[in-house]
Amino acid sequence: QSVLTQPPSVSAAPGQKVTISCSGSSSNFGNNYVSWYQQLPGTAPKLLIYDNNKRPSGIPDRFSGSKSGTSATLGITGLQTGDEADYYCGTWDGSLSRVFGTGTKVTVL
Amino acid sequence: QVQLQESGPGLVKPSGTLSLTCAVSGDSISSSYWWSWVRQPPGKGLEWIGAIHHSGSTNYNPSLKSRVTISVDKSKDQFSLKLRSVTAADTAVYYCARDRSYCGSDTCYDYYGMDVWGQGTTVTVSS
Repeated sequence: QSVLTQPPSVSAAPGQKVTISCSGSSSNFGNNYVSWYQQLPGTAPKLLIYDNNKRPSGIPDRFSGSKSGTSATLGITGLQTGDEADYYCGTWDGSLSRVFGTGTKVTVL
Repeated sequence: QVQLQESGPGLVKPSGTLSLTCAVSGDSISSSYWWSWVRQPPGKGLEWIGAIHHSGSTNYNPSLKSRVTISVDKSKDQFSLKLRSVTAADTAVYYCARDRSYCGSDTCYDYYGMDVWGQGTTVTVSS
């Protein structure tokens, strides 16, 4: 089971902002970086944020990431219908095991 | 452009061995990355299975370690997954991915994330 906890769902109207939290512990977030993944329905996950707050080429700046202590946050501004997806945080645990968050479903109202 | 493509049987019998291969194109599997397997049971979240470096070093999910072997074939630029003694709980979409983490002897750092993913392949465990 996942050791990173996310809210099951968040929602907002088009154009609004949502934030997704990811809560870990000192054994994972305490001394590591976080990445975020977007999984559109029926597709493979896609890297959205790496190194806590950096965006790969092609990812719009509507997506942002931050990390503080043992928690991290993904923000999406100017919400679009195309942003409806599942979002996962990820990092490494101290046992040399990668871990993912429980996942959050974003709904655009 | 780096691409990953999973292949293997879509149906495996209970107690059998699940075997999948991931072909890497547009990059060399001997580059300084880790190559991972991730699965997703129907309607559920992502579960990391394990990863291999071209040097042969491996890291596995502790909950699956006793049943998993990941290997690499540098001559073919591909890596493989074997999961033994499967049950219905192993039914999932299986993804391979390139992982740009750095791993030392006792810690891995998620510097650049898992930046390239295969499209996934569905494996059903059923008699």
